[in-house]
Amino acid sequence: QSVLTQPPSASGTPGQRVTISCSGSSSNIGSNTVNWYQHLPGTAPKLLIYSDNQRPSGVPDRFSGSKSGTSASLAISGLQSEDEADYFCAAWDDSLSGWVFGGGTKLTVL
Amino acid sequence: QVQLVESGGGEVQPGRSLRLSCEASGFTFNNYGFHWVRQAPGKGMEWVGVIWYDGSKKYYADSVKGRFTISRDDSKKTLYLQMNSLRVEDTAVYYCARDLGTGNIRTNWFGPWGQGTLVTVSS
Repeated sequence: QSVLTQPPSASGTPGQRVTISCSGSSSNIGSNTVNWYQHLPGTAPKLLIYSDNQRPSGVPDRFSGSKSGTSASLAISGLQSEDEADYFCAAWDDSLSGWVFGGGTKLTVL
Repeated sequence: QVQLVESGGGEVQPGRSLRLSCEASGFTFNNYGFHWVRQAPGKGMEWVGVIWYDGSKKYYADSVKGRFTISRDDSKKTLYLQMNSLRVEDTAVYYCARDLGTGNIRTNWFGPWGQGTLVTVSS
């Protein structure tokens, strides 16, 4: 069982806005920054959002991140078929002295 | 092109050893720390450990501490994961990832990642 909690699945139609949540605790999300990754099975995971809400160059502004207390969210607006992938969150955990991850959310574009 | 490529995975019996490699290209290898992360079948990602940019510090997850060792050869631009006393529960795809950020591990992030190499521990 993953330390950070994500819904196992999410879905939306093209053009819609979807949100994926990531819930943690005071020792991880509550005191450290959150990063989001996109992963197509069999390929290298890709950094989407770092430091809660920063986008690396090359990541479309359709992707945005936010954080409040011990929870974080990834929002994808103007959903496209190419967004169909697994998304997972990550943060440093002060109690475990290590990185912890969410279990991943499989996004389906209907 | 910034790239990481893992190799060395395969099937091994419980109790045996295996060494994974992660070859880097497209950037100055010795300026960065690196992580190993794994994903067991049907499970989420699990952090394995990290090595500092100069090799001076290494940290491991409790699940692998004392069995796994991370090292690096800057002359070969290669990161290694030596896995000893392997267990069935170590079966996973293993990824290497470059450490990025401000230098404070609590606020850093990973990028890029490699495509992973599969390790299967089975009798």
